[in-house]
Amino acid sequence: EPEVTQTPSHQVTQMGQEVILRCVPISNHLYFYWYRQILGQKVEFLVSFYNNEISEKSEIFDDQFSVERPDGSNFTLKIRSTKLEDSAMYFCASRFDRGLIRDTEAFFGQGTRLTVV
Amino acid sequence: AQSVTQLDSQVPVFEEAPVELRCNYSSSVSVYLFWYVQYPNQGLQLLLKYLSGSTLVKGINGFEAEFNKSQTSFHLRKPSVHISDTAEYFCAVTFGGATNKLIFGTGTLLAVQP
Repeated sequence: EPEVTQTPSHQVTQMGQEVILRCVPISNHLYFYWYRQILGQKVEFLVSFYNNEISEKSEIFDDQFSVERPDGSNFTLKIRSTKLEDSAMYFCASRFDRGLIRDTEAFFGQGTRLTVV
Repeated sequence: AQSVTQLDSQVPVFEEAPVELRCNYSSSVSVYLFWYVQYPNQGLQLLLKYLSGSTLVKGINGFEAEFNKSQTSFHLRKPSVHISDTAEYFCAVTFGGATNKLIFGTGTLLAVQP
């Protein structure tokens, strides 16, 4: 069964360093998302990406964050200069959209746990 | 503003007992509703969803939920829980639109005791 895959599963980085989180969405999906979950808190929307551009972003997604689809399969989240408060689980999700209600469902990856020290 | 509320942060229950996890939402437009489960150290797995049609929806692992538009609720139920159901449960809504981003509740930890 197709699934969203994320790498690495766990990354430790020093404060101020750049980090790139990688995701391979389901191959025929058209919408891509990043969410994050700070330990013990709820899952929060960061950004959505469609047709090679950001379609919506939250207040959390400031200039330190960027997303890219460098090729036909990968979808990356870059944090330019990590802060301690960026420590969280980051989830990638994707969705197929043919304009049908049943395409509303987003499929999530297993997450990348980012620890900033 | 659109929001999702899960009033219970933790629900302890004995094995084989019934359980209900509560979810309420706030919206002035139509919504699509979801329940996700997160087992320890794992990702988010879809339990069930309401998009349209019958207000009672059945999901995996014996869970079901009922959409109540007048009460703006989407409570999750299971008639008999197992130890293996111990996990964090998240209610989420999307309000449609171009991006269909999900708005999550704060989660409810279901702790099943023997």
